[in-house]
Amino acid sequence: QKEVEQDPGPLSVPEGAIVSLNCTYSNSAFQYFMWYRQYSRKGPELLMYTYSSGNKEDGRFTAQVDKSSKYISLFIRDSQPSDSATYLCAMSADRGSTLGRLYFGRGTQLTVWP
Amino acid sequence: DSGVTQTPKHLITATGQRVTLRCSPRSGDLSVYWYQQSLDQGLQFLIQYYNGEERAKGNILERFSAQQFPDLHSELNLSSLELGDSALYFCASSVEGLETQYFGPGTRLLVL
Repeated sequence: QKEVEQDPGPLSVPEGAIVSLNCTYSNSAFQYFMWYRQYSRKGPELLMYTYSSGNKEDGRFTAQVDKSSKYISLFIRDSQPSDSATYLCAMSADRGSTLGRLYFGRGTQLTVWP
Repeated sequence: DSGVTQTPKHLITATGQRVTLRCSPRSGDLSVYWYQQSLDQGLQFLIQYYNGEERAKGNILERFSAQQFPDLHSELNLSSLELGDSALYFCASSVEGLETQYFGPGTRLLVL
């Protein structure tokens, strides 16, 4: 079992839709949770960063972390065609030899059509 | 623009050859990370350096090595290249290691 699982999609939605992206993980040592956006052939771009459990909102983006279920989500409101990209969840631990190393999901490919 | 630079952008080489990928971290960042992204494996952590010292190793092959120089730039050396080494190689940097990592644009390596 991979440490981070993410449905690769693809996911195709109309402009204006609410998008929900999710990841599950198995390592209870993970404390830092991130979402990256990657356009084709580009480097991953940091979107959201949260520590431990809870919600964080930034504009149209909301990140949720449920550590009891080992489940994280990213919601995109009023989705735009410019949101079309691959979304990667990532997480890291705060102790032990894995400190600072990011574990990534495989990424979900999202297309928002006009 | 994340502030992390990588050169070259593209590299085409033959099996058995050796290449060097270069990364300059964001100003002020002490940690450098290398990742490999392939279609079948996704983004995989290779190695981390902090202020010139190796801090963590991931799924890095023995044919691969890296180092971080006093000016904090880093190089990833790939030798005895195989077809399966064809991938995107990303460098990321952060201030200390717990903070978020910012990724460079990547080097696309094609081994023929």
